[in-house]
Amino acid sequence: SQTIHQWPATLVQPVGSPLSLECTVEGTSNPNLYWYRQAAGRGLQLLFYSVGIGQISSEVPQNLSASRPQDRQFILSSKKLLLSDSGFYLCAWSLGSPSTGELFFGEGSRLTVL
Amino acid sequence: SQQGEEDPQALSIQEGENATMNCSYKTSINNLQWYRQNSGRGLVHLILIRSNEREKHSGRLRVTLDTSKKSSSLLITASRAADTASYFCATDADDFGNEKLTFGTGTRLTIIP
Repeated sequence: SQTIHQWPATLVQPVGSPLSLECTVEGTSNPNLYWYRQAAGRGLQLLFYSVGIGQISSEVPQNLSASRPQDRQFILSSKKLLLSDSGFYLCAWSLGSPSTGELFFGEGSRLTVL
Repeated sequence: SQQGEEDPQALSIQEGENATMNCSYKTSINNLQWYRQNSGRGLVHLILIRSNEREKHSGRLRVTLDTSKKSSSLLITASRAADTASYFCATDADDFGNEKLTFGTGTRLTIIP
């Protein structure tokens, strides 16, 4: 069966520090991968998605970046965090386009920037 | 940008009552999906309805879709305390090669025991 792992679960970082959130998927090949951010009590904002290794699409301009070094690994990074980067980050995967099926989410990483 | 908007933003009902949440969207779609999120957790897929379907059932869930009005509703019958969660609709866009799902702002449902 397929599983998705996301870590760390909780992170408190000072402004200006770097960030690395990691997501891995097991039990499937060539998944579509997604990073969403959720502000407190709000909906989900799509940040990045990837349909294959090295293929990253960015949805919003920001100081975050994403990479997909392996088929089932998706990394969200920042060189210098801003206060506005605080939020709940969710990784998700799908088999093919969302036009044909559902997304499977990880348990999320809560980032607080102080 | 947000494709879907849920209504109401928050809903509190007594256990055993039915809960109805609505979703409106802006562009043509291939499908609409509903997800559930328990506080502080990831989202869990509930049901997918395709643009050529008008109604779909799954257990105590009933989803309707009106593409002419660009709206959907989620009905939870005989609610339970465990149904307390936030519920989101999500849509793809009827674009060639579309690979993303856009979520609404969510309805926070509280079931009072």
